[in-house]
Amino acid sequence: NAGVTQTPKFRILKIGQSMTLQCAQDMNHNYMYWYRQDPGMGLKLIYYSVGAGITDKGEVPNGYNVSRSTTEDFPLRLELAAPSQTSVYFCASSYYRDRERSGLQPQHFGDGTRLSIL
Amino acid sequence: RKEVEQDPGPFNVPEGATVAFNCTYSNSASQSFFWYRQDCRKEPKLLMSVYSSGNEDGRFTAQLNRASQYISLLIRDSKLSDSATYLCVVNKKGDDYKLSFGAGTTVTVRA
Repeated sequence: NAGVTQTPKFRILKIGQSMTLQCAQDMNHNYMYWYRQDPGMGLKLIYYSVGAGITDKGEVPNGYNVSRSTTEDFPLRLELAAPSQTSVYFCASSYYRDRERSGLQPQHFGDGTRLSIL
Repeated sequence: RKEVEQDPGPFNVPEGATVAFNCTYSNSASQSFFWYRQDCRKEPKLLMSVYSSGNEDGRFTAQLNRASQYISLLIRDSKLSDSATYLCVVNKKGDDYKLSFGAGTTVTVRA
């Protein structure tokens, strides 16, 4: 069972470079999320998607873009890398049952992309 | 005020000890509660959901106190492998898509 797969696992970028962090899930989850986690800090939501073709901003969207053309894939794009974007990036997915049954279900995480901007 | 607040710890306990810690949440309309575990430099993993009546999973017991707006996690008979950061996670009613994560409580179990 692959679950949530993130690539690459590690990357070093120069200031001003661009890159795309890939995320794919094979659980047919409708919801997908991108978080960043700075050292010693909690997770901060960057963007999320409730289904193919639908995305929305989280707490810290500046400097990032996303797309959701399929249920499975949710790539995160950094257009002009800055040192402040040095972080660990986690992709997650979940599904939602109607409120009468159970509401939002737990999220399943990929094993992260460690990104350094120098 | 943060949506979810946790005592960062660390809680240093010997093997076999019991350790417990709380997490407070600010929104009284929160409807789903979880404890996640995160090992150093790894992804968060679901430890357990927290139900209104409280629930147990082996050595782990979770409680919810809606009146005081906190959830708790108790670990009995601590093992070295329980050393990790425990994240409190809350879903707010009406905010159907998103979870709010606490910064975590670090537990270190020593031999």
